[in-house]
Amino acid sequence: GAGVSQTPSNKVTEKGKYVELRCDPISGHTALYWYRQSLGQGPEFLIYFQGTGAADDSGLPNDRFFAVRPEGSVSTLKIQRTERGDSAVYLCASSLMFLAGGPPYNEQFFGPGTRLTVL
Amino acid sequence: KQEVTQIPAALSVPEGENLVLNCSFTDSAIYNLQWFRQDPGKGLTSLLLIQSSQREQTSGRLNASLDKSSGRSTLYIAASQPGDSATYLCAVVVTSGTYKYIFGTGTRLKVLA
Repeated sequence: GAGVSQTPSNKVTEKGKYVELRCDPISGHTALYWYRQSLGQGPEFLIYFQGTGAADDSGLPNDRFFAVRPEGSVSTLKIQRTERGDSAVYLCASSLMFLAGGPPYNEQFFGPGTRLTVL
Repeated sequence: KQEVTQIPAALSVPEGENLVLNCSFTDSAIYNLQWFRQDPGKGLTSLLLIQSSQREQTSGRLNASLDKSSGRSTLYIAASQPGDSATYLCAVVVTSGTYKYIFGTGTRLKVLA
């Protein structure tokens, strides 16, 4: 079946511009995560959605970053007034999260990422 | 605050060697631990997932172990091949309710032909 997809694969923008990054999770996955990976580092958590709501946005670095998931499927990460320090690979992951009657099953499946470059 | 450390940061070995990658974490209250592979410019490929109740998982030439009490996991790669060259990332899952992943900084492996 189809995995997690992210668009665009690459985005180059100028400092101060607004960008949107899109994530299409695996069909039926209720949980969706955004991570950011800077060069030479491991991914760092940004935000977690369970359904339509942001259950944990503690990883968003500042108020220039915002994410939505209005219908509980596709999610968009929005960055306002981009800065050079925002340059990174933005990864999206989805998870089934729960199986009926059992303990939480939380394995996350990652998309290929969007490489954002802010000039 | 959970912190994940991977040692060594980089490793270069001749083809055919068996090798061990190390991952340590500061808080033993984890839900599970997962090893990933990342090729340059690519996304994450899951290798092995170990539930907190398990001690190890095996897939082909890969074996991952987990010792929660000491905060350690190892990834063992048998008979390494040039195609194994990649960055290997370890991630622990916190039990806070969000089940977010906390990643290490990775081990960059190069297997020489």
